[in-house]
Amino acid sequence: EVQLVESGGGLVQPGGSLRLSCAASGFTLSSYWMHWVRQAPGKGLVWVARMNSDGSSTTYADSVKGRFTISRDNAKNTLFLQMNSLRAEDTAVFYCARERPAPGDWGIDYWGQGTLVTVSS
Amino acid sequence: SYELTQPPSVSVSPGQTARITCSADALPKQYVYWYQQKPGQAPVLVIYKDSERPSGIPERFSGSSSATAVTLTISGVQAEDEADYYCQSAHSSGTYWVFGGGTKLTVL
Repeated sequence: EVQLVESGGGLVQPGGSLRLSCAASGFTLSSYWMHWVRQAPGKGLVWVARMNSDGSSTTYADSVKGRFTISRDNAKNTLFLQMNSLRAEDTAVFYCARERPAPGDWGIDYWGQGTLVTVSS
Repeated sequence: SYELTQPPSVSVSPGQTARITCSADALPKQYVYWYQQKPGQAPVLVIYKDSERPSGIPERFSGSSSATAVTLTISGVQAEDEADYYCQSAHSSGTYWVFGGGTKLTVL
């Protein structure tokens, strides 16, 4: 069974940093492109970042570019999101998500349950 | 920027047909994906590549595409279908992804 379990969320002050982790099981992480998607309280889904299967290529939403870094450790079946210079507007549930495997099939087939990040003083 | 537009809300009575549209502001149009999200839960994929249905998704969920918009249709709506629905696509050869603003489906 495919499982994605996020951790690392919590309360952080504006300007602070936080590192999220996503533990993958039930599949071979190194075969899949992965994403982070966030959702502010009561708001919609917002794509944050994408990383290719071997970690050599990344893309980011403009709102987080230069502040957030997606990375992965395929040997440990774990995806990460390093978040720096956090702002109040970054407050959200952050989801780890797996991209569908077929070329050109740009959708998400599995989501984690999310971890809440609250940026507040 | 590439944006997807959805109506904020749709309401239908049980047994009726609900249609939720998703329009893109740029061409060429890429495939669209639809997700269902119930309160406190992670999203679930209900339609991929405009009109394909994943295994385990009821047949009452279908998708279609035209030159101007993509539509999620739920035929014979049931109370359990009440949820938020999001469309999603990707551009620049899959490099940048975008979600629509979401549509709250209310079953009256």
